[in-house]
Amino acid sequence: QVQLQESGPGLVKPSETLSLTCAVSGYSISIGYYWGWIRQPPGKGLEWIGSIYHSGSTYYNPSLKSRVTISVDTSKNQFSLKLSSVTAADTAVYYCARYYYGSGSHLYYFDYWGQGTLVTVSS
Amino acid sequence: SYELTQPPSVSVSPGQTARITCSADALPKQYAYWYQQKPGQAPVLVIYKDSERPSGIPERFSGSSSGTTVTLTISGVQAEDEADYSCQSADSSGTYPIFGGGTKLTVL
Repeated sequence: QVQLQESGPGLVKPSETLSLTCAVSGYSISIGYYWGWIRQPPGKGLEWIGSIYHSGSTYYNPSLKSRVTISVDTSKNQFSLKLSSVTAADTAVYYCARYYYGSGSHLYYFDYWGQGTLVTVSS
Repeated sequence: SYELTQPPSVSVSPGQTARITCSADALPKQYAYWYQQKPGQAPVLVIYKDSERPSGIPERFSGSSSGTTVTLTISGVQAEDEADYSCQSADSSGTYPIFGGGTKLTVL
């Protein structure tokens, strides 16, 4: 069974960089799939932040692209998110998830999710 | 890119049928997916490829598509179905997933 677990600081100061890691178990990232970050501000909908392929190719939400970096460490079977210059608007529950990318079948969806971690931006 | 629009809320009585729509404002239209999210929990996929149900999802959950609108239907709604439901699709390349704003289903 594929499991994902987010970790990182729950409180970040404005203008600083938010850093989270997603540890994956039950599946080797180096085999394949895309791996993504999604966030959900309190009381609001889900927002895709970006995704990374096991090879290191990245895709970012255009609205966040200038502030986002996603990286992968296949040796530790984990991937990470960095979001710079945060403001209160970045306060959200951050989820990591596996993205099923079926280019032949045209199936594109998140099949396994972490439990999420709340990150609050406040001084 | 394009947007997916959902109604903010839907309310039904137990045993009734709930329908939640998700409209895309542009083409091309990819398949749609539906996630159920209960308070404090991660989203769970309940419908994929517009109308397919993953294993373990009750038969009362179904999906349909017409033009640029997809619909999640829950027949015989139960109290445990009260949750937020979000639709998701992707751009033409599939590399940019898009979420709708979510719909809160209230079971009266």
